[in-house]
Amino acid sequence: DQQVKQNSPSLSVQEGRISILNCDYTNSMFDYFLWYKKYPAEGPTFLISISSIKDKNEDGRFTVFLNKSAKHLSLHIVPSQPGDSAVYFCAAKNTDKLIFGTGTRLQVFP
Amino acid sequence: KAGVTQTPRYLIKTRGQQVTLSCSPISGHRSVSWYQQTPGQGLQFLFEYFSETQRNKGNFPGRFSGRQFSNSRSEMNVSTLELGDSALYLCASSQGTGDGQPQHFGDGTRLSIL
Repeated sequence: DQQVKQNSPSLSVQEGRISILNCDYTNSMFDYFLWYKKYPAEGPTFLISISSIKDKNEDGRFTVFLNKSAKHLSLHIVPSQPGDSAVYFCAAKNTDKLIFGTGTRLQVFP
Repeated sequence: KAGVTQTPRYLIKTRGQQVTLSCSPISGHRSVSWYQQTPGQGLQFLFEYFSETQRNKGNFPGRFSGRQFSNSRSEMNVSTLELGDSALYLCASSQGTGDGQPQHFGDGTRLSIL
């Protein structure tokens, strides 16, 4: 039972353009949603989060959008930079338990 | 502020053995969670400890256990190791107050079972 899904295993974007990573969930009881970035041989690094009562949160180049009726969230990175190349995980929080998606590998090329 | 520290970074064991992994959380964080990452299953929640008590538990067999000490440091134990236990084990800490504060991860312990 995959409660959090990232249907795109990979995404390739040109430097300077927008990267859009998507995530779908099934459980309406999640109270927070988070995005993490992961480089090989390192632990996930927190990027940005959004409360279930909000529909948008912005932090610099990163913006997360939440559509509760569609049970869908997305992470926008503008402008994309080569250093953004990593695996991005969407996570949903219920109490202090995180349910992760399977990740999307983002490659930003020059 | 020091981050989450996990030891050891790498570990090789054989089937049937048992292993203990250690995690030191960020200072002031009272919640410690453990996750297993495998290529096929992604990141899966094992359990969470808060103030020395297990507060949440994932769907793993009883061979996986943990504990938390009064200084919030945590250990995870896996007994009777199986080949399928080969994975990256990640520890994450947070304040644990349920207000949306994110969990911060260590770099993990890579466990290989021969």
